[in-house]
Formats: sequence, C-alpha cells, structure tokens
Amino acid sequence: DAGVTQSPTHLIKTRGQHVTLRCSPISGHKSVSWYQQVLGQGPQFIFQYYEKEERGRGNFPDRFSARQFPNYSSELNVNALLLGDSALYLCASGYRWGEETQYFGPGTRLLVL
Amino acid sequence: AQTVTQSQPEMSVQEAETVTLSCTYDTSENNYYLFWYKQPPSRQMILVIRQEAYKQQNATENRFSVNFQKAAKSFSLKISDSQLGDTAMYFCALQKAAGNKLTFGGGTRVLVKP
Repeated sequence: DAGVTQSPTHLIKTRGQHVTLRCSPISGHKSVSWYQQVLGQGPQFIFQYYEKEERGRGNFPDRFSARQFPNYSSELNVNALLLGDSALYLCASGYRWGEETQYFGPGTRLLVL
Repeated sequence: AQTVTQSQPEMSVQEAETVTLSCTYDTSENNYYLFWYKQPPSRQMILVIRQEAYKQQNATENRFSVNFQKAAKSFSLKISDSQLGDTAMYFCALQKAAGNKLTFGGGTRVLVKP
C-alpha cells in the first residue's frame, strides 16, 4: 500500500505570493493533519481534518487555510507569504479520530525569498 | 496546554552500544498516547514506538524500548545495539486520546559512530 504522499516536494516562492500544498492520505485513512517544521525545531501543529470537517487549528495566522476533499485528500493554502514561512510542511494521516497513530508523508520543503 | 521537553540536543554513541534519550511532558489529560518518531536526513518522519498511557507495561519494538513513568511524566527511549542507520533526529510526541493533534518536543540528534 502507498504511504502518505505530498506534492510538490520542493517549492520556491517570493514574499507576498500564494502557495498550495497537497496531501493524499493512506488509503482508508479519513484524518489528515498539517504541521510546520522550521529548521532545527520540532513540528508545530497547523490544522487537522476528519471526515472533511476541521477539527482543530493551531496558533497560526489567518493567512493559513486548509480543506479536505471527499476523497480525503487535503490542501494547505498560505497567502501573502513571509520569509518566516520557509519550512518543511508535513502532512500526517490517521484511520479515525482519536486513539490513532498517525503516519507522515515526506513533506514539502518551502523556501520563501 | 500540553508541552513536551527533550533536554538533550545531541547524543553520540558507538555502533553496537546502547543510548537512552530523555523526554518529559506535561498534560492534564488522563488518557493520552506517547510516541517516538525518527527523522533521518531525508526528513521523512518515521514512527519508532508508541505507548498508551493506560498501559503500565513498557512498549518494545525490536531494538527500541521505552521507560514510561506516568507519575513522573517521563518517557525515555532506549536504543540497543545501535546501528549506523539509527543516525537521525528523534522526536518525542504526545497526543490526547480525544483528537489527533501531536505535540512535539524539540528533538535530540543521535549520531552513531562506527
């Protein structure tokens, strides 16, 4: 079975631009979570979705938004990019809500110039 | 609010030796899960081991084992018979039973020397 997939793998943007990152969960998984990992730090929670509904949001500005589609894939959108948004963006999927181990994708490395 | 603290930024160990990574956490929840994830230079986050807080027995996965002390809110990882492929960042993480949000520590870099 395929694991969690993310696209693109790398991305370079300039300040003020918009970016869309994509994630496909493991087949059968209905939960998707997004994390931001700045170099040298642990991942920070951004969003979580289950059954296409937002179930949690971390301490990130409104420039960050996300959604989950009927096939359980997900998009993370970031508007008005700042230099500080440069990071590895990780997607994790789980089979159900709560009490569940999550599995991570390879991440999207975003560089904002 | 939940917090996870890893006090060792970096550790080195000789191949075939044993290394123990420390993790302490804070939560007001009674039901939760603790994880150790490994992140090699490829940056892929890989699950190493999982512990349910309601289980007293410490989890083991091959060469990896944990020492879970619930009262002390401590969750250490022991890597036995270290191999070169164990070289990576190791993150301790906490997840409430009701929800999928993971709270991570700052990580410990492990270097296995030949």
